[in-house]
Amino acid sequence: AQTVTQSQPEMSVQEAETVTLSCTYDTSENNYYLFWYKQPPSRQMILVIRQEAYKQQNATENRFSVNFQKAAKSFSLKISDSQLGDTAMYFCAFMSVAGAGNNRKLIWGLGTSLAVNP
Amino acid sequence: GAGVSQTPSNKVTEKGKYVELRCDPISGHTALYWYRQSLGQGPEFLIYFQGTGAADDSGLPNDRFFAVRPEGSVSTLKIQRTERGDSAVYLCASSDRGRDEQYFGPGTRLTVT
Repeated sequence: AQTVTQSQPEMSVQEAETVTLSCTYDTSENNYYLFWYKQPPSRQMILVIRQEAYKQQNATENRFSVNFQKAAKSFSLKISDSQLGDTAMYFCAFMSVAGAGNNRKLIWGLGTSLAVNP
Repeated sequence: GAGVSQTPSNKVTEKGKYVELRCDPISGHTALYWYRQSLGQGPEFLIYFQGTGAADDSGLPNDRFFAVRPEGSVSTLKIQRTERGDSAVYLCASSDRGRDEQYFGPGTRLTVT
């Protein structure tokens, strides 16, 4: 069974600085996707960034980038130029794409609560 | 276009009562997922629909939980004889067949007193 571990329950960063959130996962599969989701107090889960395991290049989305280390099963999220609106819970999630039937259920970590301070 | 909607936003019920939670996915999305998020936890998979059928219900915790999607669009999660441990945020997500990005609704916060 796949597992996702986020070892940082809480983090804080000063506005405009850079912060890195850690995520490790365990799987025996070779074909999968990894995601970072943001959940503000409104509860709406918002996709931040995704990484396909077969791609060697790290994904980037504006101020958000990942460091994907497949051999180490590590998938960290870097937020550059942090903004007050980045304050939220951040979840790392794993999706297997190896199985039949198109079930793309997400396996989630416990989350990291990020506070961006003015 | 409209995103995924869930009703009610909040539901308070007494232990032992029956509740229904509704999810209205993005129009045209054939895949629909239910997740449960307990306080301080990440979401946990409950059930997956492809069209009208429940293709994977392995995450349902017990037989008090049931979900339907009779016309392949709106889904209802039904919980019988609610227990205090059922208190959580219930999230619904939908995706387009052949694509992997899931779009989430705002969730229903269920409180069982």
